[in-house]
Amino acid sequence: DTEVTQTPKHLVMGMTNKKSLKCEQHMGHRAMYWYKQKAKKPPELMFVYSYEKLSINESVPSRFSPECPNSSLLNLHLHALQPEDSALYLCASSQEVFGGLSDSPLHFGNGTRLTVT
Amino acid sequence: QKEVEQDPGPLSVPEGAIVSLNCTYSNSAFQYFMWYRQYSRKGPELLMYTYSSGNKEDGRFTAQVDKSSKYISLFIRDSQPSDSATYLCAPEGPANAGKSTFGDGTTLTVKP
Repeated sequence: DTEVTQTPKHLVMGMTNKKSLKCEQHMGHRAMYWYKQKAKKPPELMFVYSYEKLSINESVPSRFSPECPNSSLLNLHLHALQPEDSALYLCASSQEVFGGLSDSPLHFGNGTRLTVT
Repeated sequence: QKEVEQDPGPLSVPEGAIVSLNCTYSNSAFQYFMWYRQYSRKGPELLMYTYSSGNKEDGRFTAQVDKSSKYISLFIRDSQPSDSATYLCAPEGPANAGKSTFGDGTTLTVKP
């Protein structure tokens, strides 16, 4: 089991649905991330939150909306997705984003496998 | 050109073999070099990381960095079927702080 918990594990949604992915960590990490991973590809960064503020948005379409309610929680709100958005969505956390990089490897959850029909 | 190029694999070896997984990178600002292991249907997990050039050993695993040639390697000795996974190299530095740049991954299968 990982220290980063993601729910749900699987999600099937239609293109008109609104759903949310949730992520939780209790390691006291101050940076949290959303990654998207397609089959046989490496994770692609979507968003980074540092101290609960959005610090990096990798030009992600607005149908993906991140939210960081507190330092332990990270949500990804989904609306009007396309079939090509089907992927494994990974949440990760690390101690810090800037500085102390050697102490800041990423801790990943096991992801939410999303299918858009 | 990608910032990180990883030997594509897949790689299939018999149990007990020595495995060498390799990456090259182009950004000379990278200072920290991570290796993540990802089992099927799981998230990546940090396996090892090194700072700057040199070797780091942890049990059967050795990470090696040569900054002069921008070459990163992970060696697995006495490979086990439980090592079967995808291995991702991920260098990091001030230029991409917070944005681990992953190699495409090498899928390893260790056959009993």
